[in-house]
Amino acid sequence: GQNIDQPTEMTATEGAIVQINCTYQTSGFNGLFWYQQHAGEAPTFLSYNVLDGLEEKGRFSSFLSRSKGYSYLLLKELQMKDSASYLCAVRDKRDDKIIFGKGTRLHILP
Amino acid sequence: DGGITQSPKYLFRKEGQNVTLSCEQNLNHDAMYWYRQDPGQGLRLIYYSQIVNDFQKGDIAEGYSVSREKKESFPLTVTSAQKNPTAFYLCASSFGTSGANEQFFGPGTRLTVL
Repeated sequence: GQNIDQPTEMTATEGAIVQINCTYQTSGFNGLFWYQQHAGEAPTFLSYNVLDGLEEKGRFSSFLSRSKGYSYLLLKELQMKDSASYLCAVRDKRDDKIIFGKGTRLHILP
Repeated sequence: DGGITQSPKYLFRKEGQNVTLSCEQNLNHDAMYWYRQDPGQGLRLIYYSQIVNDFQKGDIAEGYSVSREKKESFPLTVTSAQKNPTAFYLCASSFGTSGANEQFFGPGTRLTVL
């Protein structure tokens, strides 16, 4: 079966750093995505990892450990506009379907 | 501008009526998808299509139907057989269904069944 776990909610302060964790279980792993979704809007793509290690994109970085079934999204220099839900999603190798976690709602305090 | 559009943004229907949600993309993507999102829930896959005139059921296809007669269009019909149709519906597209092909999402349609 497939299962993706991430914290329901997190709170951080403007200017700080926050790490959002995601653990997954899948029969056949073929990549992990992170999306950002503001309330009432469409998700937008942030990052993709298929090999172990860290991918950096400006203020956002994403890490993957396939042996541990673990990923995290690191957000630096937090801004108020980063208040959103962050969705972890895994592509299944068997049928190429993408399975989404329930998302982590991030609150940024001034 | 290339993109993916959904209409309408808000839709109200009476119980027992079928309703069709529109999804159009001009990104020249081969694959298209329909997801449903409920409060506090992740996106759940309803149907997806990898190529014109072909589509597959996702995890929650019961009570829904789709067609893919054109590459650009992937309409979703919510039938009266769907027991809890009130939700936020998201359409997405991608170049392919493997590897790093990320999905591009439309703005969504919020369906309320009264």
